[in-house]
Amino acid sequence: GAVVSQHPSRVICKSGTSVKIECRSLDFQATTMFWYRQFPKQSLMLMATSNEGSKATYEQGVEKDKFLINHASLTLSTLTVASAHPEDSSFYICSARDQRASGGGETQYFGPGTRLLVL
Amino acid sequence: DQQVKQNSPSLSVQEGRISILNCDYTNSMFDYFLWYKKYPAEGPTFLISISSIKDKNEDGRFTVFLNKSAKHLSLHIVPSQPGDSAVYFCAAKNGNQFYFGTGTSLTVIP
Repeated sequence: GAVVSQHPSRVICKSGTSVKIECRSLDFQATTMFWYRQFPKQSLMLMATSNEGSKATYEQGVEKDKFLINHASLTLSTLTVASAHPEDSSFYICSARDQRASGGGETQYFGPGTRLLVL
Repeated sequence: DQQVKQNSPSLSVQEGRISILNCDYTNSMFDYFLWYKKYPAEGPTFLISISSIKDKNEDGRFTVFLNKSAKHLSLHIVPSQPGDSAVYFCAAKNGNQFYFGTGTSLTVIP
């Protein structure tokens, strides 16, 4: 299957720091990437849909000024948590649609996730 | 509004037996359904999928069944192995939007 990487895998930072997380599709191009957040024992919560070359689409309740998304190329999307606070501590996961899949991008492939801990 | 539901938060099965994970949805416009497996502190891994025009798709030990009239899909794992212990998410696609269920934690007992 397609491979999606995320970097870093773990971040510990002080409150007020901005944190950037990278999501890369390694062996395919992805015009659409997704950013999710997962709280303990809860489902994946879609935060935003990242489209290459255009502005991201944010889900209701997600602050676009807090979670800055840039999809600069067909293989890279970044999520920046601006001025992170302890309540932003979570597990962030990205995914990318594999446009090569039959039917045109039916399958999402997920990155390994990034654990963010804000002290 | 949860358009994709997994009503069983957990399931325990003896090794070698069949595991059946269920998923219900409400939107008849969904055109593609997927199952993902997730270990703690890792991203979900794609398992198997099915188009809305089919009612069954099989891949090794994994089979997904789709009942469109009932808006229900299920994942069968047979025989179940201890390494299958994980959280399983079903997902449904409508256009560019994917909707995930809340997950079912499967424990396969050796």
